[in-house]
Amino acid sequence: DVVMTQSPLSLPVTLGQPASISCRSSQSLVYSDGNTHLNWFQQRPGQSPRRLIYEVSKRDSGVPDRFSGSGSGTDFTLKISRVEAEDVGVYYCMQGTHWPFTFGGGTKVEI
Amino acid sequence: QVHLQESGPGLVKPSETLSLTCTVSGGSISGYYWSWIRQPPGKGLECIGYIYSSGGTNYNPSLKSRVTISIDTSKNQFSLKLNSVTAADTAVYYCARTARYLDYWGQGTLVTVSS
Repeated sequence: DVVMTQSPLSLPVTLGQPASISCRSSQSLVYSDGNTHLNWFQQRPGQSPRRLIYEVSKRDSGVPDRFSGSGSGTDFTLKISRVEAEDVGVYYCMQGTHWPFTFGGGTKVEI
Repeated sequence: QVHLQESGPGLVKPSETLSLTCTVSGGSISGYYWSWIRQPPGKGLECIGYIYSSGGTNYNPSLKSRVTISIDTSKNQFSLKLNSVTAADTAVYYCARTARYLDYWGQGTLVTVSS
């Protein structure tokens, strides 16, 4: 299975300041169709995961533009330009290229 | 807006079969892949498997011998069966749309395996 490694495990943040989460895969996530199937999810306390970003950098409808995704191959990053209180939760990267699709262990963002 | 809702028993005895159903509303089940994902308490997420609306399936090799996913397009529902459960199968079980993208999720249902 492709191992997804996130860092840090825990990310204390200051409101209004930027934050960054790293995700590395044990294999390239470029699929045969040329797309890179790397998604980012936010899971607020007591809620189900919500997708924020797909195909590395495409933001979902309704997701604030302070969230951005970047990267290629095996190295990916989720950035929050200015953290707001509602951003508290656990963030997961997930690869959808190699079956079984796998998630990173999560990064807990706390104020 | 697509809405997914899991349903099924919250308590299953060891060695028995866990059965859950996901009901899709606000859109057609046809033409999409549909997934089951689980999350043990306090832990990360694991893809169990997925099914296409025509019935083709793909299961996580770690669970393949115990899992069956089926679909009923007339009811806009798909289902999960996991047999021979143990305490290690205690988790919140989520259904979601698509396999690679997981764009819509249900709220999840906690299934506890205990005698």
